[in-house]
Amino acid sequence: AQSVTQLGSHVSVSEGALVLLRCNYSSSVPPYLFWYVQYPNQGLQLLLKYTTGATLVKGINGFEAEFKKSETSFHLTKPSAHMSDAAEYFCAVSVAGGNEKLTFGTGTRLTIIP
Amino acid sequence: EAGVVQSPRYKIIEKKQPVAFWCNPISGHNTLYWYRQNLGQGPELLIRYENEEAVDDSQLPKDRFSAERLKGVDSTLKIQPAELGDSAVYLCASSRRSVNTGELFFGEGSRLTVL
Repeated sequence: AQSVTQLGSHVSVSEGALVLLRCNYSSSVPPYLFWYVQYPNQGLQLLLKYTTGATLVKGINGFEAEFKKSETSFHLTKPSAHMSDAAEYFCAVSVAGGNEKLTFGTGTRLTIIP
Repeated sequence: EAGVVQSPRYKIIEKKQPVAFWCNPISGHNTLYWYRQNLGQGPELLIRYENEEAVDDSQLPKDRFSAERLKGVDSTLKIQPAELGDSAVYLCASSRRSVNTGELFFGEGSRLTVL
């Protein structure tokens, strides 16, 4: 079985500052890893994903994440925060090669300080 | 292409009443999921369909919850009778199994409030 732990349920950063949202996973087989974003009263939208290949993946809106197998981590970063980045972010894991089940973390609410 | 469509967006009912949610997945997506998202939590899988077959319903509270996906397209999730603890957002998602990217496409959700 796979699981995800997101460190920090709330993160606040100043506009223009670095965004770092932490995610650690547990999986007995090679994982597929995802970051989803959820804006208020909306569904989840895929930001980026890691399946195979390059461990640094780039997503929409300037976000990127790096898969580090040795650290079992998949942290999400953005060099410069924008007010529009305020949302809830979910890290998720599934078994490589299948979309049978996506297991989500508990989420991190990102607040941007003007 | 049209996204996943869910209805209703909001529903307020009294406890012990029934409620149903409807989902229309993206055309061509044979896998359909129902997730429940409690306040301040991540989504949790309730049931997964491959076409019209429920292949994973281990987390579905079968005493009061039921789901169906007739003809392998639209799906309905029902709760009868509803309890206070059922207040949550019910998310529908779909994916194309033949493309093993693991990406799910979510609808906007149906927010249930049980009074």
